[in-house]
Amino acid sequence: GAGVSQSPRYKVAKRGQDVALRCDPISGHVSLFWYQQALGQGPEFLTYFQNEAQLDKSGLPSDRFFAERPEGSVSTLKIQRTQQEDSAVYLCASSLEGTGATPLHFGNGTRLTVT
Amino acid sequence: AQTVTQSQPEMSVQEAETVTLSCTYDTSENNYYLFWYKQPPSRQMILVIRQEAYKQQNATENRFSVNFQKAAKSFSLKISDSQLGDTAMYFCAFKLNQAGTALIFGKGTTLSVSS
Repeated sequence: GAGVSQSPRYKVAKRGQDVALRCDPISGHVSLFWYQQALGQGPEFLTYFQNEAQLDKSGLPSDRFFAERPEGSVSTLKIQRTQQEDSAVYLCASSLEGTGATPLHFGNGTRLTVT
Repeated sequence: AQTVTQSQPEMSVQEAETVTLSCTYDTSENNYYLFWYKQPPSRQMILVIRQEAYKQQNATENRFSVNFQKAAKSFSLKISDSQLGDTAMYFCAFKLNQAGTALIFGKGTTLSVSS
């Protein structure tokens, strides 16, 4: 497709369940970012990949959060033992390279609700 | 560390009027980009306008223009001839001109355009 694709669009999980959120970046994009956006707030950085290498995971809020991009294209954000505070929209974004010179393209996000 | 502040949680404007959204940021760096993104209820983050810090000329995109005051670290967005479709949340964002650095967002301003 032409844009960044995220699935599922909505996910409801019971507290304690594991979830996996998928991101398909634009083909050929080197950089991939994950963001967490709480209701009514701005997106907060979680982690960054350059191709398959996870170069920055400083924004991951706990060791229950794990992200991978094994072949340098599709990325998965996994949250283990979900908690209510994990409820948020998770946004994925990709760009051709990593500076601000090329635009960051965002997906529509996955809205996670933990009950 | 870089921070972005949007001091107007909500703004409203009538169709065809002009509105200005405020943004200030803090950084000790000289080489960076500033952005305004629009996020409608669909959650799609759409780039509205981009400004390179080394350019003194204010960026413009059709009805959208910025007032970039580098010394004051201010980056406001002016929307002229407001349209109903401009109703959305608007985020100011900052990015260092370095590969792999994250886009840092403000908390956003909800803009409502009424007829």
